[in-house]
Amino acid sequence: RKEVEQDPGPFNVPEGATVAFNCTYSNSASQSFFWYRQDCRKEPKLLMSVYSSGNEDGRFTAQLNRASQYISLLIRDSKLSDSATYLCAASWRAGSYQLTFGKGTKLSVIP
Amino acid sequence: EAQVTQNPRYLITVTGKKLTVTCSQNMNHEYMSWYRQDPGLGLRQIYYSMNVEVTDKGDVPEGYKVSRKEKRNFPLILESPSPNQTSLYFCASSSTRTSGRLADTQYFGPGTRLTVL
Repeated sequence: RKEVEQDPGPFNVPEGATVAFNCTYSNSASQSFFWYRQDCRKEPKLLMSVYSSGNEDGRFTAQLNRASQYISLLIRDSKLSDSATYLCAASWRAGSYQLTFGKGTKLSVIP
Repeated sequence: EAQVTQNPRYLITVTGKKLTVTCSQNMNHEYMSWYRQDPGLGLRQIYYSMNVEVTDKGDVPEGYKVSRKEKRNFPLILESPSPNQTSLYFCASSSTRTSGRLADTQYFGPGTRLTVL
């Protein structure tokens, strides 16, 4: 069974804090990795793809460690609007594609 | 506007009454997928489709059927719904690049909240 595991959370952090999420994946053949953001009762929306060299988008930094099979998301200078559930996902190809999500980590940024 | 639409958004039904949840995308995406989301279990893939007439089982296909007769549509069919299929359902679509990798952005529909009594 191909699984993606996330920190259980919830994470409650003050505004301005730096918070890190980690996610491990069991399938070493996984090819693509993503972080999604999901607001309460809404659909998930892509936050970032995760590249081998690591990538940054403003306050968000994503890293991939293939040797240890984990991906991470770092959020700097947390805002109240960052409060959401963050889902990691991994895809692989075995004939056709499958995309598996972690269960998500809830983040609450507190004033 | 690029989007994935689902209908209905909310549905309450009774055990055994066949239902279909429609999903349509206007982005000419090859890949489409259905997920269900349950508290504590996260998003789980039900079925997916790489292209017209090509469908595959995801992690939790039991009790569901799909079809992909047209590129834009990917309906989810529950032939005989049961209470354990009460859930929040999401349809999603994505392009597949010529290199064969799943494209970065998977677009999700707004979700269908299904209750089976």
